[in-house]
Formats: sequence, structure tokens, C-alpha cells
Amino acid sequence: DAGVTQSPTHLIKTRGQQVTLRCSPKSGHDTVSWYQQALGQGPQFIFQYYEEEERQRGNFPDRFSGHQFPNYSSELNVNALLLGDSALYLCASSFGLAGSTDTQYFGPGTRLTVL
Amino acid sequence: AQSVSQHNHHVILSEAASLELGCNYSYGGTVNLFWYVQYPGQHLQLLLKYFSGDPLVKGIKGFEAEFIKSKFSFNLRKPSVQWSDTAEYFCAVNSNTGNQFYFGTGTSLTVIP
Repeated sequence: DAGVTQSPTHLIKTRGQQVTLRCSPKSGHDTVSWYQQALGQGPQFIFQYYEEEERQRGNFPDRFSGHQFPNYSSELNVNALLLGDSALYLCASSFGLAGSTDTQYFGPGTRLTVL
Repeated sequence: AQSVSQHNHHVILSEAASLELGCNYSYGGTVNLFWYVQYPGQHLQLLLKYFSGDPLVKGIKGFEAEFIKSKFSFNLRKPSVQWSDTAEYFCAVNSNTGNQFYFGTGTSLTVIP
């Protein structure tokens, strides 16, 4: 049973560029959440996708956008990259929208470095 | 907005010592509480969770946590730590009506053999 997978593992970009990160949820899960984890900090919620729609969003600018596909996989897009976007980006999956009591399973993350 | 505070940023213990990591949250409503662990080179894993019922919850690897509603706390404990418990520990909260998780800044635990 595959867990949450993310690609790529590492990514280096320059300021102003755009980046796309990918996530495949754990088998049987249909909800995907994205987090940003800066060095020395806890994960910060970016947004959550369910049934191909953004259901909830954290305090992140519109430069951060996402998509969920019919197979439940998801993409995180960041436009006009800033140095401050350098972080580990985590994907977490769970089952069902009313999943406040459901456990989120995390992927290994994508390390983004913006130069 | 909810927030989570973890007061211990770095903890160093010898093997067999007892562990208690503090976690306090701010939210007036009903919450669900979690502790996640991140071992070196590995991804975040659930250690234990509290939704309702007995405020003392037991998780994997001998960890337990106690929810004290009056203190808005959910401290993590282990009677006797092992070298393999060296990891980063994160407390997390979400409300009973939402799916957004709020994480603390984490506590780095180093256990010396």
C-alpha cells in the first residue's frame, strides 16, 4: 500500500520563476492538503482540495494555487517566486471532507530553494 | 485564528530519563489534538491523537498525552526515552468544524545513549 508520494524531491529556482509540485495521496484517500514548512518552523497550512475544488485556504497569497485531478492527485503551483518561498512543501492526504477527526498522512516533501 | 505554542525548542535527555513536552493552544471551541513525530530523514508520522473521551491518550512507542481543557494543554510524555526517540516533535490542533491543521514550531529532542 503506497503512502503519500511527492515529486520532485528537490528543486532549485530563481526569483520570479514559477514552480509546480506534485502529490499522489495514499491509496483510498480523496482529500489533499498542502503545507509550507520553513526552516525551524512547523508546517503552515496553504490549502486543501476535495472533489477537485479548493475547500479551505490558509493565509497565503494568490501566487499560491493548486489543482486536484479526478484520480485525487494534486499540484501546487507557485508563481513569481520570492526568496522567502524557500521551504519544504508537504502534502498530506486524508479521507473525506469532514475529516477533522481523520488522520492526515504526510508525504516526504519537496525541498524548494529559491535563489 | 487558532495558534499552538510549544515551549521547549530543544530538549536533550539521557536514555531512560522521563520526557514531557509542553503544548498549549488557543481556541475557544472544541478541538482535536495531535502529536506528530519526524525522525531524521523521514516524513511526519502520527504519534497519537485526541478527539473526545478519556483525556489521557496512548500512542505508539510508549508515548502518551494528556488533554487538560482548563489549561488548553496537550502535553506529551514518555516515562523512559530511548536513543531511537531522537526526533522533531510537533503538536497540532484543528477545530471540530474545520479541516485546517495548526502546527506548533516543534521541539527537537536529542537522546544521548
